[in-house]
Amino acid sequence: NAGVTQTPKFQVLKTGQSMTLQCAQDMNHEYMSWYRQDPGMGLRLIHYSVGAGITDQGEVPNGYNVSRSTTEDFPLRLLSAAPSQTSVYFCATSQGTSGGYPQYFGPGTRLTVL
Amino acid sequence: GENVEQHPSTLSVQEGDSAVIKCTYSDSASNYFPWYKQELGKRPQLIIDIRSNVGEKKDQRIAVTLNKTAKHFSLHITETQPEDSAVYFCAASKSSASKIIFGSGTRLSIRP
Repeated sequence: NAGVTQTPKFQVLKTGQSMTLQCAQDMNHEYMSWYRQDPGMGLRLIHYSVGAGITDQGEVPNGYNVSRSTTEDFPLRLLSAAPSQTSVYFCATSQGTSGGYPQYFGPGTRLTVL
Repeated sequence: GENVEQHPSTLSVQEGDSAVIKCTYSDSASNYFPWYKQELGKRPQLIIDIRSNVGEKKDQRIAVTLNKTAKHFSLHITETQPEDSAVYFCAASKSSASKIIFGSGTRLSIRP
């Protein structure tokens, strides 16, 4: 089992470019989420999904879009990258469809926006 | 919505001593409280969790206590070792909702 995988590991963008961060899991978890972690900061929830076809906003959703067409994949799209989106992005999954379960994190994507 | 405050932001202890990290939460309906450890450059990983029907839980050198009345919970690490050096995050959530809110983290350093 690969668990939670994320691609790419590193990415450099110019302001205004768009890109998609990929997240995939093979644990058959219903719940998937995206967090950003700024240097020396905690984890802030961007978007989450409780199952295929269902997504909702977290604490900091502006500038990001998500979709969930399958149980396994939960891509995060940056529509028009800004320097303020420079961060490390973690995808996380958990069993169940609520917040009452442990989160399993992917290895992260380090994004720099110039 | 839920808010989780974590203290201290940095903590330095002598190897072999104990470390305590505290978190408070705002939503009295929260009923699940996990703790995650993040080593430098790595992903956060669950180390221990507690549910609201339990006051204390232990796993070898780590323990978590929960005070529902005061709405705070704490992580206790005894006999600290160099490999305990990391950033620790608390979190709170409730089974009736889907958002998990994290504290801001505590950077723990173990002095030799």
